[in-house]
Amino acid sequence: DAGVIQSPRHEVTEMGQEVTLRCKPISGHNSLFWYRQTMMRGLELLIYFNNNVPIDDSGMPEDRFSAKMPNASFSTLKIQPSEPRDSAVYFCASSSTGGAGNTIYFGEGSWLTVV
Amino acid sequence: AQSVTQLDSQVPVFEEAPVELRCNYSSSVSVYLFWYVQYPNQGLQLLLKYLSGSTLVKGINGFEAEFNKSQTSFHLRKPSVHISDTAEYFCAVSEAGAGSYQLTFGKGTKLSVIP
Repeated sequence: DAGVIQSPRHEVTEMGQEVTLRCKPISGHNSLFWYRQTMMRGLELLIYFNNNVPIDDSGMPEDRFSAKMPNASFSTLKIQPSEPRDSAVYFCASSSTGGAGNTIYFGEGSWLTVV
Repeated sequence: AQSVTQLDSQVPVFEEAPVELRCNYSSSVSVYLFWYVQYPNQGLQLLLKYLSGSTLVKGINGFEAEFNKSQTSFHLRKPSVHISDTAEYFCAVSEAGAGSYQLTFGKGTKLSVIP
């Protein structure tokens, strides 16, 4: 079975450039999460979608970050303009329902370096 | 709000020895508890979870954890570790209930299995 698919796996970009991270959730899952992992802050929830609708974006650090889910099989996380402090691993995850009791499946992550 | 404390950031252990990774949580409401494992350069994978019922939970790869409500702990154990268990382990907590989706992660414990 295909898991959560993320692209790109690795991205190095210059400060000020736009970065777009992509995610394809597991087919049939109606909840999608974007997490960020850094050494300093650990794993943080950025945004949560349920049935393609953003339910909680309180974790999005600032207006430079935006996320969309135009359909059930695709989501993007965009950073514009990017800054060195955005360097992190960004994980997309999905589950069959939004309840935390359900298993959340993670993608392999997008490793972003902003220089 | 919930919080998670993983008491050890790194745990070295010899192959075939037992291991315990400690996790304590704080919450004013009932919780669900999880352990995830992250192998190098990969996403997180669910090891086990406690939702209700028996306080001893068995997971994949021979791991188990015990929920102790009075001590607000959810320690992870394995009686005999293998080299392949070398990874980072994350404890996570969420508010119990169908509407809850927010997982709060600990900072992780890096398990190093020594041949």
